This record gives sequence, C-alpha cells and structure tokens, in this order.
Amino acid sequence: GAVVSQHPSWVICKSGTSVKIECRSLDFQATTMFWYRQFPKQSLMLMATSNEGSKATYEQGVEKDKFLINHASLTLSTLTVTSAHPEDSSFYICSAPTRDRVLYEQYFGPGTRLTVT
Amino acid sequence: AQKVTQAQTEISVVEKEDVTLDCVYETRDTTYYLFWYKQPPSGELVFLIRRNSFDEQNEISGRYSWNFQKSTSSFNFTITASQVVDSAVYFCALSEAYGGSQGNLIFGKGTKLSVKP
Repeated sequence: GAVVSQHPSWVICKSGTSVKIECRSLDFQATTMFWYRQFPKQSLMLMATSNEGSKATYEQGVEKDKFLINHASLTLSTLTVTSAHPEDSSFYICSAPTRDRVLYEQYFGPGTRLTVT
Repeated sequence: AQKVTQAQTEISVVEKEDVTLDCVYETRDTTYYLFWYKQPPSGELVFLIRRNSFDEQNEISGRYSWNFQKSTSSFNFTITASQVVDSAVYFCALSEAYGGSQGNLIFGKGTKLSVKP
C-alpha cells in the first residue's frame, strides 16, 4: 500500500533555532497534505493544509510565520518551525489523502517528535 | 461543525474481557468517512478501519468489530477477548468527502485502553 515517510523521526533543538520536518509520499502523488500536532496525552489537532503549488491554509490559532509550510512538489511537503521554543515541543504528524479506482485512503506518516530545550 | 466525542478517557480491563470503545460524531454532511486508529506508545498511528456514510454494515475483523449506526451517529469499536497487546490509545476520527477527495480528519480525544494480564 501507499506509504508516507517523515524525516527526522525525532529531533532535539535549542530554543531559538529552526527545525525542518519533511513529509514524503513514497509511491503516490499528493496535491494535498495535512499537518497535525499532538501534545502529550492529547489528541491530534490539524495545524495546516499544505497545497502543492499554492499557499498553505492554517487553522485558527496557528501562526503561519512561525510554522512555515512549503509543498514544493507532488511528493514532498516541509514544515519548518522557526525560532522554536519549549512550548513547540510536540509530536508532528503529516498525512496525505489519495484515491485508487474506488476507495479514498488517507495515509499517515510515522510522526516526528520535536523537543526544544 | 464537525465533532467527534469519545466519552471514555481511560478504560482498564483484565485480559480476555470484551471491551467496547464508544464514538459519537456530529456532521452536517451526507457524505463522510469514519475511522478508528490505534496509537501505541511509539506514536505511529495504526489504521484499523474506515467506513463511509453510505455503508452501515457492521464489520468484524478477527477480534475486532465495529457497529456503525447513523440513527444515533455512533461508530463503536469492540475488542473481543482482549489481550495485553491491545493496550494503546484508540482514536475515532471523521472526515468529509469533497471535491472528489478526502478532507482532513477530525479526531476524538482518544480512549486509553489498558489490558492487564
């Protein structure tokens, strides 16, 4: 089946630095990808919708200047956390919907655990 | 507005007991998808099932079964003869279908299942 990969799987960075997370669809093209954030012991919340060739759409309360999304190709979306702070420490998961002849599927990446010290 | 409610925050059972995880959803759309995911401590989401709004047939897969009732907007998940390996957080989720594709998922808050030997 289709696979979505994320890199890195975990990252530790110092406060004030920027971190880039990649989300790749390995065997299908994804014009849309979704970025979710999950704080410890909480649910997944949609941060933004990444659209190939156009600007991302951010959910209310998500700072677009802080969380930069670039969907440069049909198989790659990147999320850059700029000037990271400890409160940005979280589990970030991307997903990509696709469709075969009959069924719609939504594939999730394995997630990236970000720790900001 | 879309909403998914998982009223059970935590459930603890003894191995071999049956357990049902409840999920109630709200949507104004006539076409939508419902999902269940398992999230073990590693964090990666494990897809369990997807149902579209036009298919109310219940489904059984091994020890897992799902009861979809549109009349009560519920999509409950039952594990029969639970095992320690079933211990995880389980998420119910809802997605609209639009434009020939699938939208982002709205997740419930999750139910943490602990199965004790």
